[in-house]
Amino acid sequence: DTEVTQTPKHLVMGMTNKKSLKCEQHMGHRAMYWYKQKAKKPPELMFVYSYEKLSINESVPSRFSPECPNSSLLNLHLHALQPEDSALYLCASSPRRAGEGYGYTFGSGTRLTVV
Amino acid sequence: AQKITQTQPGMFVQEKEAVTLDCTYDTSDPSYGLFWYKQPSSGEMIFLIYQGSYDQQNATEGRYSLNFQKARKSANLVISASQLGDSAMYFCAMREGPNDYKLSFGAGTTVTVRA
Repeated sequence: DTEVTQTPKHLVMGMTNKKSLKCEQHMGHRAMYWYKQKAKKPPELMFVYSYEKLSINESVPSRFSPECPNSSLLNLHLHALQPEDSALYLCASSPRRAGEGYGYTFGSGTRLTVV
Repeated sequence: AQKITQTQPGMFVQEKEAVTLDCTYDTSDPSYGLFWYKQPSSGEMIFLIYQGSYDQQNATEGRYSLNFQKARKSANLVISASQLGDSAMYFCAMREGPNDYKLSFGAGTTVTVRA
């Protein structure tokens, strides 16, 4: 199994809603990532989890709350988002150490629209 | 400072011809990895090819090859025998250090293959 699965594929939410994005991988990767990507721009790193612990938070607003319940799952909880948060949210995973391989595997993303 | 530079915002290529996508990088770390990803309009980030800084030979994967010129800090992607399905955004990315997590992405190049 060499996939990263993201659900839902599309999400429309109001500014007062609470929703969650989910990401799952079964490749034994111990690093997992959330990226945000605006149209025609490169992905921007939001969070990195290493061995289920938050390692990097790229100064992301608190309305985005990541969670890593176990080594296969990564969630992104959304609350009180703004229209400018509308974007493609990509999850990725990778081996934690270079000696374990180098590949970063991305999911197909969740297209989020905030109305 | 920009770590990855892709100077071609968009390119057109005729079907069955080859196309070269430019990528230059900036790092002082002797150990790094360079990646190319393809992103079709569907959004999924598809891994194409990898080059490690210590790799002696240029990487190849089917119709994809990487022209790695270490002294010039360039890692150009060559797509041979272009197909209509190659139309997509292409990103060059770099991981610095043997155990670093973060991928730095270039701005991307949009490739349109014409029949």
